[in-house]
Amino acid sequence: NAGVTQTPKFRILKIGQSMTLQCAQDMNHNYMYWYRQDPGMGLKLIYYSVGAGITDKGEVPNGYNVSRSTTEDFPLRLELAAPSQTSVYFCASSYNSQGDGTEAFFGQGTRLTVV
Amino acid sequence: GENVEQHPSTLSVQEGDSAVIKCTYSDSASNYFPWYKQELGKRPQLIIDIRSNVGEKKDQRIAVTLNKTAKHFSLHITETQPEDSAVYFCAASMSNAGNMLTFGGGTRLMVKP
Repeated sequence: NAGVTQTPKFRILKIGQSMTLQCAQDMNHNYMYWYRQDPGMGLKLIYYSVGAGITDKGEVPNGYNVSRSTTEDFPLRLELAAPSQTSVYFCASSYNSQGDGTEAFFGQGTRLTVV
Repeated sequence: GENVEQHPSTLSVQEGDSAVIKCTYSDSASNYFPWYKQELGKRPQLIIDIRSNVGEKKDQRIAVTLNKTAKHFSLHITETQPEDSAVYFCAASMSNAGNMLTFGGGTRLMVKP
């Protein structure tokens, strides 16, 4: 199993450009998440999904969009990139049954710089 | 929403000493409390977790305690080693909110040989 795979690992965007961060998991996890981590800070939730076709906003969703058309993939779309979106982005997934939390597995991260 | 506070933000200990990191949470509905270790430039990885129906859990040199009444939980690392140096994050989640994790701000632990 590859676990959670994110692409690309690094990206530099110009202000106003758009891009999609890819995330795929092969563990048949139903829950998937996108977090951003600013330098020296904790992780903040952008969006999450509890299953294919279902997405919901987290703490910092502005400027981002997501979709979940399959169990495996959860891409994050940045429209009109701004310097404030310079961060490290982590995708994570977990398997949740009976409602209780379980271990979230993280991808290796995408380091995004907006100039 | 949930709010998780973590202290201290930095912690320096001598090799072999114990380290304690404390977190408080705001929502009494939170029922799952994991701890993640993040080495420089790497992804967060789970080191131990505890559920709200348990007061303490131990795994070798690592233990976590939970006080639901006071809404705080702590990570204890005994016999620290240089390879324990990393940033540690606590988190809380609740099953009625997508099990999304709310993270504390992190503690940078430095173990001096």
